[in-house]
Amino acid sequence: GQQVMQIPQYQHVQEGEDFTTYCNSSTTLSNIQWYKQRPGGHPVFLIQLVKSGEVKKQKRLTFQFGEAKKNSSLHITATQTTDVGTYFCAGRRAGNNRKLIWGLGTSLAVNP
Amino acid sequence: NAGVTQTPKFQVLKTGQSMTLQCAQDMNHEYMSWYRQDPGMGLRLIHYSVGAGITDQGEVPNGYNVSRSTTEDFPLRLLSAAPSQTSVYFCASRGWTTDTQYFGPGTRLTVL
Repeated sequence: GQQVMQIPQYQHVQEGEDFTTYCNSSTTLSNIQWYKQRPGGHPVFLIQLVKSGEVKKQKRLTFQFGEAKKNSSLHITATQTTDVGTYFCAGRRAGNNRKLIWGLGTSLAVNP
Repeated sequence: NAGVTQTPKFQVLKTGQSMTLQCAQDMNHEYMSWYRQDPGMGLRLIHYSVGAGITDQGEVPNGYNVSRSTTEDFPLRLLSAAPSQTSVYFCASRGWTTDTQYFGPGTRLTVL
């Protein structure tokens, strides 16, 4: 069953507001990736986090990997209409069973 | 590089028909996989391959077959289409040294 919980499922914001989506795993992860899927499009890789407590930034996007390597977040500062889409996390299990587990995604709508 | 290509983009089948979804990549990636995406279900792994001649089942393999005769191509066969197979199908590839997956544009399949 689903072992990476992603919240919220949907988020509506006004342009200029901030947005955050969270991924929580029941097991320790060796890494976590984030993907963005525009409406009608395909998932596109954004970033990978590997180290405990890692923080990476891409312009207005800030990605964090928790100290225990079980949770992660994506924060968008001052959203724009170009940020519209669904954001997925995908965690690679640590240990022998290195399965990739996908979150169900957070759909972001931005009102101009 | 064209990246990952998929054909067809759209397909309508009748129940019981068979068809093959094509996937090709020109990045010399060893690892290829097929996902289906349904509303509220995220991305679910159907089959994957770690190299030519090697395939394995994902979490939802029933009703689908794959083969990997070359590094470049990874076709997905629907043996006898059912309405439950109505979905968007994505092919993805990655190299051994990275977890970054590159997705194709998808095939939107409707089974009547």
